[in-house]
Order: sequence, then structure tokens, then C-alpha cells
Amino acid sequence: EDKVVQSPLSLVVHEGDTVTLNCSYEVTNFRSLLWYKQEKKAPTFLFMLTSSGIEKKSGRLSSILDKKELFSILNITATQTGDSAVYLCAVEAYGQNFVFGPGTRLSVLP
Amino acid sequence: GAVVSQHPSWVICKSGTSVKIECRSLDFQATTMFWYRQFPKQSLMLMATSNEGSKATYEQGVEKDKFLINHASLTLSTLTVTSAHPEDSSFYICSARTSGTNSYEQYFGPGTRLTVT
Repeated sequence: EDKVVQSPLSLVVHEGDTVTLNCSYEVTNFRSLLWYKQEKKAPTFLFMLTSSGIEKKSGRLSSILDKKELFSILNITATQTGDSAVYLCAVEAYGQNFVFGPGTRLSVLP
Repeated sequence: GAVVSQHPSWVICKSGTSVKIECRSLDFQATTMFWYRQFPKQSLMLMATSNEGSKATYEQGVEKDKFLINHASLTLSTLTVTSAHPEDSSFYICSARTSGTNSYEQYFGPGTRLTVT
């Protein structure tokens, strides 16, 4: 059965801290892995990863994929209160659409 | 736990026809379900929010007469794309949550890939 696991499920940090969110998957016919940030309404796209070992960066956020070990991490450096959200990991598979993880709820305290 | 399924997983239809997509919560009661469109490498676009037994709330710019949503029971919501056109081709993803939880605590379905020819 295809599945995506995220850890931790919940995390509380203080502003300025660096956090690492984990996503591991067991999916046949892997196509891509996507990270989203969900605050109130719809999840906002962050990254799409298809190749191992190539880091993607956007400001204080970065992500990398390991297709051999079947996981990805999302790093956020110098966290701010505006980073508080649920971070979703989803894997797109050929012929199977998407498998979403449960999300990691990040709370950044001032 | 907290599994959401969608049916069909993919569908091809001709322009002008209607397509119904089902979203089911398999092991919990979903008082609220959300329907999204997903374009490649883009954020999910919220189309509408449906609460069991009441009319759906559509986001600005989404035609309610074109995208008919019915949330008839606590485990089933349907999205019907009426008079489909090629520009309606997309991934349609639903999510569900139970009562008493925050709006961002949602369980997502696998999506339905719609191709209109």
C-alpha cells in the first residue's frame, strides 16, 4: 500500500531556530515529491523534487530528495512567526495521482 | 486512519459532457469537504467548501453552475463538472475534515485527473 509518512507531526520552536521536517514514502512508480505550506485556505506550493541530491532553495527554505532511501527533508532557517503552518508532503506517482502525508504542524513562537 | 478516497482516479470525456467525481471519507465522518484544482508546479486552488447538508461555498471566480457540489452525507461529497471544456482539464483534489478541527487539519484524497478532449 502506498504511503507517505511525515515527522514530526507537531513541532514548536522559537523565532530564529532552524527546523528540519522529514518526509518518507513508499510509493510505486514514483514521479515527483512535492512540499506545500498550508495556513488557512489552500496549500501553497513550495517545491517539486524529482531528482536525488539536488537541493532546491527559496529564501530561507530548502529541500532535498533521496530516492535511494525514499525520503525528503524540508529545512527552514531563521524561522519567523509567519512560518507557522502545516507543511504537507505529497508524492505523485505515475498512474496513481497523489499520496499526501499527514502534515507537520509547525508553531514558531516569538 | 483518516483515509480519503476519490473516484474515478482518472477520466477522459468529450467536450460538452458532464463528469461526476466522488470524494469519500472512509473511516471518519467529514462534516466539511474541500475541493481543489491542482495545476503542475502550482499551489492548490481552492474551488469550494462544502458542509454536509448545506449548500457549498464557492471561492471567487469559480462558477457554481459549472462546478456542482453536493455533500449529501457525512462521508460523501461529489463534484460534477458540467458541460466540460478542454480548459477544465486538470487534477481535482478533495480533502476532508471532521468537526471541531482547525481548517488546515485536512486529509487529502489522491486526486482525479480529468482530461477533456
